[in-house]
Amino acid sequence: QVQLQESGPGLVKPSETLSLTCTVSGGSISSHYWSWIRQSPGKGLEWIGYIYYSGRTNYNPSLKSRVTISLETSRNQFSLRLTSVTAADTAVYYCARQLELQWFDPWGQGTLVTVSS
Amino acid sequence: DIEMTQSPSTLSASVGDRVTITCRASQSISNWLAWYQQKPGKAPKLLIYKASRLESGVPSRFSGSGSGTEFTLTISSLQLDDFATYSCQQYNSYSPYTFGQGTKLEIK
Repeated sequence: QVQLQESGPGLVKPSETLSLTCTVSGGSISSHYWSWIRQSPGKGLEWIGYIYYSGRTNYNPSLKSRVTISLETSRNQFSLRLTSVTAADTAVYYCARQLELQWFDPWGQGTLVTVSS
Repeated sequence: DIEMTQSPSTLSASVGDRVTITCRASQSISNWLAWYQQKPGKAPKLLIYKASRLESGVPSRFSGSGSGTEFTLTISSLQLDDFATYSCQQYNSYSPYTFGQGTKLEIK
């Protein structure tokens, strides 16, 4: 079965770039849509964006100017870059497979990223 | 954006109770709705998709209903393992996909 695992720094300084990688195992990344979702402390889930195996992307308009999602097919990975971060970007970041642009399943375990100097 | 509003925010119940969580959309989303269960420190788990279809492996005590703007998730007889946070998600509009704020189900 497909499993996802996020990795990356847990602490990022304000104004710097947050970079995370999601490694997919148990299946090929060369199909389906792959998304990033985050959850700020005490708040609901927020979809960040997706990438299709073809490289096509779609981002949440609220984050679009700062987000890039890319694919590393040879490593079965996809990545998130979020620039110019502030404390408001502190959250648990999840990667997930998105089936037919609909629901998300499965999800990674999530990784906490704190923005602080 | 389509806003998803869940009620209640917190629900206290006992093992064996029947509970219902409501999710309302700010505009019609047909039946393009999913429900997730999330436990502390764990990834969200898909329970229901297309408003009422049970994901494989999910116990039959979970059920979903609704269409348009109002949806419910019902647990027919609460088990200890069910105490968690539940969130709805709409996928009628992909710009952007949005979630409810979550309903925390607590032991009474």
